[in-house]
Amino acid sequence: GENVEQHPSTLSVQEGDSAVIKCTYSDSASNYFPWYKQELGKRPQLIIDIRSNVGEKKDQRIAVTLNKTAKHFSLHITETQPEDSAVYFCAASTGTASKLTFGTGTRLQVTL
Amino acid sequence: DTGVSQNPRHKITKRGQNVTFRCDPISEHNRLYWYRQTLGQGPEFLTYFQNEAQLEKSRLLSDRFSAERPKGSFSTLEIQRTEQGDSAMYLCASSGTNNSPLHFGNGTRLTVT
Repeated sequence: GENVEQHPSTLSVQEGDSAVIKCTYSDSASNYFPWYKQELGKRPQLIIDIRSNVGEKKDQRIAVTLNKTAKHFSLHITETQPEDSAVYFCAASTGTASKLTFGTGTRLQVTL
Repeated sequence: DTGVSQNPRHKITKRGQNVTFRCDPISEHNRLYWYRQTLGQGPEFLTYFQNEAQLEKSRLLSDRFSAERPKGSFSTLEIQRTEQGDSAMYLCASSGTNNSPLHFGNGTRLTVT
């Protein structure tokens, strides 16, 4: 089955700096890659997703890049703010409405 | 709130007891998923339904676990003879027919003492 690895496990950046989180996947059939943000005690919330027919997608301060050949994808957050502090999970699946395999999460801390 | 609703939010039970959780998906969504999340880990897939049909079950879902979605709307997840290792957050998610992403509920946190 699919295996998703995520790095780093923790990331501390100063407010205004950029943050990058990287994930690799094992199943070449995977074609849908969402990113979820989870604040303490709350539900995972979708923040951005990308399908295999695009290499990059951007939504304001958040962008995701995908390299299908290397089987890795990354989340980029620019101009970080304290409210960006949370745990971020990458995931992969063979279809949008199919089961997701999640990475182990990255705890992002944005300091003032 | 028209999001995914889960009840109860918290459940504390003694080892050996049975527990049942409920999930109400977003009303127009026909797919419903159960995931389990332990501290410091990502959600792990347990099972999913399309309408009332249970289409896939993870090997993580032992014989003590059973899920139902009798009318294709809400779903229940029952754990029989609970063990301390069952302590986790149980998350429900739903998605629609138009290839929409998964939307999660707030989860039910189970503590087995």
